[in-house]
Amino acid sequence: AQSVTQLGSHVSVSEGALVLLRCNYSSSVPPYLFWYVQYPNQGLQLLLKYTSAATLVKGINGFEAEFKKSETSFHLTKPSAHMSDAAEYFCAVSDEADYKLSFGAGTTVTVRA
Amino acid sequence: DVKVTQSSRYLVKRTGEKVFLECVQDMDHENMFWYRQDPGLGLRLIYFSYDVKMKEKGDIPEGYSVSREKKERFSLILESASTNQTSMYLCASRSEGLVGELFFGEGSRLTVL
Repeated sequence: AQSVTQLGSHVSVSEGALVLLRCNYSSSVPPYLFWYVQYPNQGLQLLLKYTSAATLVKGINGFEAEFKKSETSFHLTKPSAHMSDAAEYFCAVSDEADYKLSFGAGTTVTVRA
Repeated sequence: DVKVTQSSRYLVKRTGEKVFLECVQDMDHENMFWYRQDPGLGLRLIYFSYDVKMKEKGDIPEGYSVSREKKERFSLILESASTNQTSMYLCASRSEGLVGELFFGEGSRLTVL
């Protein structure tokens, strides 16, 4: 079974600063990894996904994530935070044979002016 | 754009009532899912359906049932609502073969008194 752990339930950054959200996974097979974002009062939307191609994955809104097998990590970064990045972010894992995604507990990002 | 519509954004019900949460998607997706979202716990899968009239239990099916009579519609049923079912419920859909790329509705926030 797959699972993910998101380190830190809340992250506060200044506008223009680096955003770093940490995700570690556990999987017995090569994983598919995802980051989703949830803006206030909305459903989740896909930010980016890793499916065993390039280890550095670029997503929407300037976010990217790097798959590191040796560290079982898939951390999400954005070089310069914007006020509109305030949201909750979820890491998720699946494998090819499984219809189900397993989600982390989520990390809430606040951006200070 | 894919649209997943959940019939009610906010519901307040009494303990013991039967509750129906409806979800409709307009992109002919084969797979549909019901998740429950609670602070600090992330999203947990209640039930999923990989095709019409097909359903499988997720991680927390107790106290819930589902119905999928038509491809576009997936209903979540609480036969006898309890206070511990107060939560945000999220419906999602996915095209067969696109591992992990879920499209979510905006959620239904249920309060059981």
